[in-house]
Amino acid sequence: DAGVTQSPTHLIKTRGQQVTLRCSPKSGHDTVSWYQQALGQGPQFIFQYYEEEERQRGNFPDRFSGHQFPNYSSELNVNALLLGDSALYLCASSLTSQGVGIQYFGAGTRLSVL
Amino acid sequence: AQSVTQLDSQVPVFEEAPVELRCNYSSSVSVYLFWYVQYPNQGLQLLLKYLSGSTLVESINGFEAEFNKSQTSFHLRKPSVHISDTAEYFCAVSRGSGTYKYIFGTGTRLKVLA
Repeated sequence: DAGVTQSPTHLIKTRGQQVTLRCSPKSGHDTVSWYQQALGQGPQFIFQYYEEEERQRGNFPDRFSGHQFPNYSSELNVNALLLGDSALYLCASSLTSQGVGIQYFGAGTRLSVL
Repeated sequence: AQSVTQLDSQVPVFEEAPVELRCNYSSSVSVYLFWYVQYPNQGLQLLLKYLSGSTLVESINGFEAEFNKSQTSFHLRKPSVHISDTAEYFCAVSRGSGTYKYIFGTGTRLKVLA
């Protein structure tokens, strides 16, 4: 049973560029959440997708956007990259019908903005 | 709004000694509580969870945590640590219903010394 998979594992971009990160949820899960983990910090909630719509959003600017596909996989897009966007981006999947929605995390994509 | 405080950023402990990692939360509504572990260059792994029922929850690798509603705490304990327990530990809270995001603490780095 494949867990949550994220790609790529590492990414280097320069300021002003745009980036797309990808996530495939754990088999059977229908909900994807994205988190940003800056160095030495805990993960910060970016947004969550369910039924191909953004269900909830954290305190992140509109430069951060996402998408969920019919197969439940998801993308995180960040436009106009800033140095401060350098972080580990974590994807978590869960099953909404489970009620609690316990989240299972992927290994993350480490983004470096130069 | 919910918040999580992990008072100890680093906890060094000798192998086979007991350890307690502290977690306090703030919330005006009922919550679910989680501990996740992050090994170097990896994502987050669910260690244990409190959803309802017994206030003492245990993991398969010897960790336990006790939900204390009056003290708004969910401290993580292990009676005897191993070198392999060296990792970053994150406490997280989610609302008991309706809201799906997790709020994480800043993490505690457990370093087990030989």
